[in-house]
Amino acid sequence: EAGVTQFPSHSVIEKGQTVTLRCDPISGHDNLYWYRRVMGKEIKFLLHFVKESKQDESGMPNNRFLAERTGGTYSTLKVQPAELEDSGVYFCASSQGPRLADYYEQYFGPGTRLTVT
Amino acid sequence: KQEVTQIPAALSVPEGENLVLNCSFTDSAIYNLQWFRQDPGKGLTSLLLIQSSQREQTSGRLNASLDKSSGRSTLYIAASQPGDSATYLCAATNSGYALNFGKGTSLLVTP
Repeated sequence: EAGVTQFPSHSVIEKGQTVTLRCDPISGHDNLYWYRRVMGKEIKFLLHFVKESKQDESGMPNNRFLAERTGGTYSTLKVQPAELEDSGVYFCASSQGPRLADYYEQYFGPGTRLTVT
Repeated sequence: KQEVTQIPAALSVPEGENLVLNCSFTDSAIYNLQWFRQDPGKGLTSLLLIQSSQREQTSGRLNASLDKSSGRSTLYIAASQPGDSATYLCAATNSGYALNFGKGTSLLVTP
């Protein structure tokens, strides 16, 4: 069974540019999460999808970040325009559904390292 | 707001030793607590998940315990091996989905 995959693995962009990160969850997982770790800090929750619906986006830093999950499959996280403080590692995770059950483990992807110069 | 702390930040032990990693959390109303392992440049690998109603979980040489009343969890690694060298992360959730992570413990097991 394929795990959570993320693309690209690395991205280097200039301040003001746009970047789109992609996450493919484990097949059949209704729940999809985005997290971020900036240097020296702990991993922080960004948002949670159940299928194609955003359940909680309270962790999104600001309106320069837009997450989508079309058709309840893969998800994209767009940063527009990127700022220096957006640099970090962006992780995607998925877990089974269909409800917000506490039982299901979250499985993480390898992350996308974003560097904004 | 849930705060998760992991002590120590780094640990070096000789191969074969048993060791304990500590995790504390401020809000005891958690749904579950998950332990992860992260190798350099890699993603997070789930090791153990402890439900709020459970006291411990075991997988091979790993044993994780949970004491909600004191806000603590420990990860016990028996007979450590060099391949256990990695960063170990603890994460608790009060919402059932948003994980609150500690900064991790960097473990080095020397041959």
